[in-house]
Amino acid sequence: GESVGLHLPTLSVQEGDNSIINCAYSNSASDYFIWYKQESGKGPQFIIDIRSNMDKRQGQRVTVLLNKTVKHLSLQIAATQPGDSAVYFCAEVSSNTGKLIFGQGTTLQVKP
Amino acid sequence: DAGVIQSPRHEVTEMGQEVTLRCKPISGHNSLFWYRQTMMRGLELLIYFNNNVPIDDSGMPEDRFSAKMPNASFSTLKIQPSEPRDSAVYFCASSFSGQGNGYTFGSGTRLTVV
Repeated sequence: GESVGLHLPTLSVQEGDNSIINCAYSNSASDYFIWYKQESGKGPQFIIDIRSNMDKRQGQRVTVLLNKTVKHLSLQIAATQPGDSAVYFCAEVSSNTGKLIFGQGTTLQVKP
Repeated sequence: DAGVIQSPRHEVTEMGQEVTLRCKPISGHNSLFWYRQTMMRGLELLIYFNNNVPIDDSGMPEDRFSAKMPNASFSTLKIQPSEPRDSAVYFCASSFSGQGNGYTFGSGTRLTVV
């Protein structure tokens, strides 16, 4: 079956440090991946996405890496700020089904 | 655009009552998704529509749950009868054929069944 899971439920970092959040997926048919940020009381908010024909994509302070060989995604946040504190989800889309499936989520805590 | 609009934001109801959650997707989006979020199960996809047609409802937990999309600008998720274990935050999301960052989520409806 399909499943997307996160390795670390909670990540605590110092303000200014870089953060790396990891995610494993199991559906090799997935060809599109998205990272979402969810703050308390809000819906998931798009951060960055990547297609399976790429292995890296950069945004503003964020980078997503995709390793299809081991079915692994990571989200790197540079110079982590208190406003980055939230739960981060990776999600995959299977072109076969069109379904957006979420992983478990990782809580990022930024210490001042 | 106001984004995906869900109502109500909060709903408290007694066990056995019917509950209807509403969603207005982003104009122009042709796919709509209903999710349920709990601490135990995370974000679960319940059902999704493409061009107002239900494509996959395999995530709907029981026959007590039903969803409709009568037109491109409105969808409902109904629970009848509701049970305490249905308590969760229900999110609606919309996209345009699932491309790019078009998976936009609403603010959710927090449902409490007592």
